[in-house]
Amino acid sequence: DAGVTQSPTHLIKTRGQQVTLRCSPKSGHDTVSWYQQALGQGPQFIFQYYEEEERQRGNFPDRFSGHQFPNYSSELNVNALLLGDSALYLCASSFGSQQETQYFGPGTRLLVL
Amino acid sequence: GENVEQHPSTLSVQEGDSAVIKCTYSDSASNYFPWYKQELGKGPQLIIDIRSNVGEKKDQRIAVTLNKTAKHFSLHITETQPEDSAVYFCAANPSGSYIPTFGRGTSLIVHP
Repeated sequence: DAGVTQSPTHLIKTRGQQVTLRCSPKSGHDTVSWYQQALGQGPQFIFQYYEEEERQRGNFPDRFSGHQFPNYSSELNVNALLLGDSALYLCASSFGSQQETQYFGPGTRLLVL
Repeated sequence: GENVEQHPSTLSVQEGDSAVIKCTYSDSASNYFPWYKQELGKGPQLIIDIRSNVGEKKDQRIAVTLNKTAKHFSLHITETQPEDSAVYFCAANPSGSYIPTFGRGTSLIVHP
């Protein structure tokens, strides 16, 4: 049973550029959440997608956007990158009546120079 | 919104000792409390969770306790092993929310 997968594993961008990160949920899961984890901090919630719509959003600017596809996979897009966007971006998936139980992927390490 | 405080930030123990990590939460409506273990270069892994209708839950060497009145919950690891070394995060979900609020993490170091 495949767990949550994310790509790429590492990424280096420069300020002002745009980036797209990808996530495939755990088999059978229909909900995807994205988190930003700065060094030495706990994950911070960005947004959650369910049935291809953004269901809930954390305190992140509109530069952060996302999408969920019919197969439940998801993308996170960040425009106009800032140095402060450097972080580990985590995707978590969950299912049905136990939505609060989330399973995390390995993350994408983004470095903005 | 929910606020989760976690202590200590670093915990160093000898192999075979017990380790305890404590968290407090602010929203009395929170009803789900997961604990995650994050190893270097990996994503957080759910290791145990507890719901507000239960006071204690055990899984082999790991146990979690919850005091709803005091709004705090703790992770207990017995007979620690070097492979237990990692960063541990507590989290709390407010009632009706599927989104956990995380603590800042505890770096557990188990010395052989």
